[in-house]
Amino acid sequence: RKEVEQDPGPFNVPEGATVAFNCTYSNSASQSFFWYRQDCRKEPKLLMSVYSSGNEDGRFTAQLNRASQYISLLIRDSKLSDSATYLCVVNGGGFKTIFGAGTRLFVKA
Amino acid sequence: DAGITQSPRHKVTETGTPVTLRCHQTENHRYMYWYRQDPGHGLRLIHYSYGVKDTDKGEVSDGYSVSRSKTEDFLLTLESATSSQTSVYFCAISPSTGVGETQYFGPGTRLLVL
Repeated sequence: RKEVEQDPGPFNVPEGATVAFNCTYSNSASQSFFWYRQDCRKEPKLLMSVYSSGNEDGRFTAQLNRASQYISLLIRDSKLSDSATYLCVVNGGGFKTIFGAGTRLFVKA
Repeated sequence: DAGITQSPRHKVTETGTPVTLRCHQTENHRYMYWYRQDPGHGLRLIHYSYGVKDTDKGEVSDGYSVSRSKTEDFLLTLESATSSQTSVYFCAISPSTGVGETQYFGPGTRLLVL
């Protein structure tokens, strides 16, 4: 079993739609959680950190469920520019940062 | 954007040749990392550095070595390149490894080993 698992997708959604991604992790001692965005042939960039209380940044909402060991990302009112791969990232402390393989999102006009 | 550059950005080489990739940062961050990214896999840590001349192995270190003689530079060497090392290599930096600390990535190097 992978330490961090994501549905690879692709998710194909129309502009304006709401889409949600989940990510599960296996290490219950994990301390930090993030969502990164990666555009085609580019480097990963931090989208948002995920806090225990949940957090929101504009159209993006991230949630953490420690009991079930998953994190989620909700994108509301999808834009064409949201098309990318979204990486779930979990840190178990120190140098042990595990990246999920990513979920691909295509937003269509 | 964090000041991280990687060179070369693209390289084609032959099996058995040594290859060195360079990562240069202008952020004065203590921690530097080398990852590889392959289809179906998340980024996998090759080696990391926690200071000048201080390095350690990551998850997939076989066939790779690193050196860090200055804060700003972190070199990754493929001692004798193999086709299985064809990949995209990303360098990353972070100021610390504390809870909630994030990593910032360079633009990547695409390596093809024939």
